[in-house]
Amino acid sequence: AQKVTQAQTEISVVEKEDVTLDCVYETRDTTYYLFWYKQPPSGELVFLIRRNSFDEQNEISGRYSWNFQKSTSSFNFTITASQVVDSAVYFCALSEHAVSGNQFYFGTGTSLTVIP
Amino acid sequence: GAVVSQHPSWVICKSGTSVKIECRSLDFQATTMFWYRQFPKQSLMLMATSNEGSKATYEQGVEKDKFLINHASLTLSTLTVTSAHPEDSSFYICSAKKGAGRGYNEQFFGPGTRLTVL
Repeated sequence: AQKVTQAQTEISVVEKEDVTLDCVYETRDTTYYLFWYKQPPSGELVFLIRRNSFDEQNEISGRYSWNFQKSTSSFNFTITASQVVDSAVYFCALSEHAVSGNQFYFGTGTSLTVIP
Repeated sequence: GAVVSQHPSWVICKSGTSVKIECRSLDFQATTMFWYRQFPKQSLMLMATSNEGSKATYEQGVEKDKFLINHASLTLSTLTVTSAHPEDSSFYICSAKKGAGRGYNEQFFGPGTRLTVL
């Protein structure tokens, strides 16, 4: 079973539009960590955020914001006023504390294209 | 933040040859490193977990005799693709776990190595 689901394979938005990338996860662990990474065409993963399972506070960092809801097992990522430089593939990932020694489970990624 | 390097960043080789990829933690010791493979337009899939001083643990479906992993020091893990074939062409990414405590141990990803087998 897929532990991390990113249902949106590709999204295109016009510059300055807001866009939300969805992420749904599955785990039986009570302690876990959720991540978002950006992967530009160069391939290198760029860390965006980490949240632990005990901290459901939403977070905002500039144009980026994250909505963590344990009740729906979701960790969605919103980019406000999108820019062309936001074009990339975005991965949501889960790391379980007890079970797997912190290995990462990645979603299938959402390819975001911001059209100027 | 901590830095993880990979060498080479890209490599082209002929079918049947072996290729070694290095993963180094530059400013911290990593008892555990992970190797991932990413095919074009796909997600990262864990291949194996590399522990310093012991044998690597391979995920189901990954041939341990083909993908040799050596984690001989606390800052270096190597992945050798033996007798490479075109289907092994992929983007290989390593990550290094900083610390080995019971709490969360931060992981840092390398920049990846793009392997093309002709």
